[in-house]
Amino acid sequence: QSVLTQPPSVSGAPGQRVTISCSGSSSNIGAGYDVHWYQHLPGTAPKLLIYDNTKRPSGVPDRFSGSKSGTSASLAITGLRAEDEADYYCQSGSWVFGGGTKLTVL
Amino acid sequence: QVQLVESEGGVVQPGRSLRLSCAASGFSFSSYGMHWIRQAPGKGLEWVAVISNDGSKKYYVDSVKGRFTISRDNPKNTLYLQMNSLRVEDTAVYYCAKGEGGHYLYWGQGTLVTVSS
Repeated sequence: QSVLTQPPSVSGAPGQRVTISCSGSSSNIGAGYDVHWYQHLPGTAPKLLIYDNTKRPSGVPDRFSGSKSGTSASLAITGLRAEDEADYYCQSGSWVFGGGTKLTVL
Repeated sequence: QVQLVESEGGVVQPGRSLRLSCAASGFSFSSYGMHWIRQAPGKGLEWVAVISNDGSKKYYVDSVKGRFTISRDNPKNTLYLQMNSLRVEDTAVYYCAKGEGGHYLYWGQGTLVTVSS
């Protein structure tokens, strides 16, 4: 069981907005550590979507956004597309990953 | 462009050893800490080990301490993971990743290690 808690699954219809939460503690997110988010498709390397809580690497569409408050963080995806169906992981603290969330596009 | 290419994994019996390598190019390898991260079948991502840019500092997840050793050869731009006393639960896809600011922008393609009798 990871110290960063994510919902096992979320779903949404194309065009909708979904959010994925990442709940930590005073030892990681609450201690001021930045939160990073990754998208992982089967058979491929994970892709960095959001770093330092809110920043997007070059090439990541602005449909993806991140936020952080207290001991939690969230990833929001707007204008949901079929190709967004993947596993999403948060990461914070001393090299800790969340358990992952499977996004299903209905 | 940055490239990280892991060596081929393989099937190994429990208790045996295997060494993975990760060849880096496209950046100043000796300037960055490097990490190994794995994903067991049906499980999430798990950080395994990190080595500082000069190799002087190394940290491991508790489950591999005393069995795995991370190392690097900066002149050869290569990262290694020596895995000894392998267990069935070490079965996973292993990724090397370039560390920068606490996150991972660049990853290798991953290599599958299967521990089975």
